Amino acid sequence: EADIYQTPRYLVIGTGKKITLECSQTMGHDKMYWYQQDPGMELHLIHYSYGVNSTEKGDLSSESTVSRIRTEHFPLTLESARPSHTSQYLCASLKQGGEQYFGPGTRLTVT
Amino acid sequence: GESVGLHLPTLSVQEGDNSIINCAYSNSASDYFIWYKQESGKGPQFIIDIRSNMDKRQGQRVTVLLNKTVKHLSLQIAATQPGDSAVYFCAENRKGNAGNMLTFGGGTRLMVKP
Repeated sequence: EADIYQTPRYLVIGTGKKITLECSQTMGHDKMYWYQQDPGMELHLIHYSYGVNSTEKGDLSSESTVSRIRTEHFPLTLESARPSHTSQYLCASLKQGGEQYFGPGTRLTVT
Repeated sequence: GESVGLHLPTLSVQEGDNSIINCAYSNSASDYFIWYKQESGKGPQFIIDIRSNMDKRQGQRVTVLLNKTVKHLSLQIAATQPGDSAVYFCAENRKGNAGNMLTFGGGTRLMVKP
């Protein structure tokens, strides 16, 4: 069982609000990732980090931002939520030389 | 919100039959491949992996086959059960400038009929 956590699991919020999706892992992994996934669709990488103070944008352009101040914590922030941000957001961390472990996801709905 | 990407193909099998899910990967330099299973409302879970120096790897009821010549990966599930119903993603390890990066395939939805 992977020790990677995401909160909240579900969030319904109005347009224009600032939100932060939390992701934490207790495995000491340096590499962490954020993916966006619409229901029944592909996974798209939106941000990644190779360690503290390292953040990069992924393949899919996103209006969100991320920070990596501590190894175990990789939050994603939307400054002003819009209905187009409605999606599932999945956080993952990488076991060295192995597979990515995924969190349970946050399903975001912006009304 | 607006959907991003393509809708997933669906494979429908009878309970007890064997299932074969296919995946084409893009980078001939990829050296590590993973199959993930994603159930509704959950994050993807690791099923099995294979390195590029192997052609086949077996797990419990699952087998992964790698054909590097045609850049093709397959997942075989023996005696498919209703609990196997999920979306299956393949991923390839793509070596980037600052380290390794997983690139995910489009995914296949497996539906098991009782």
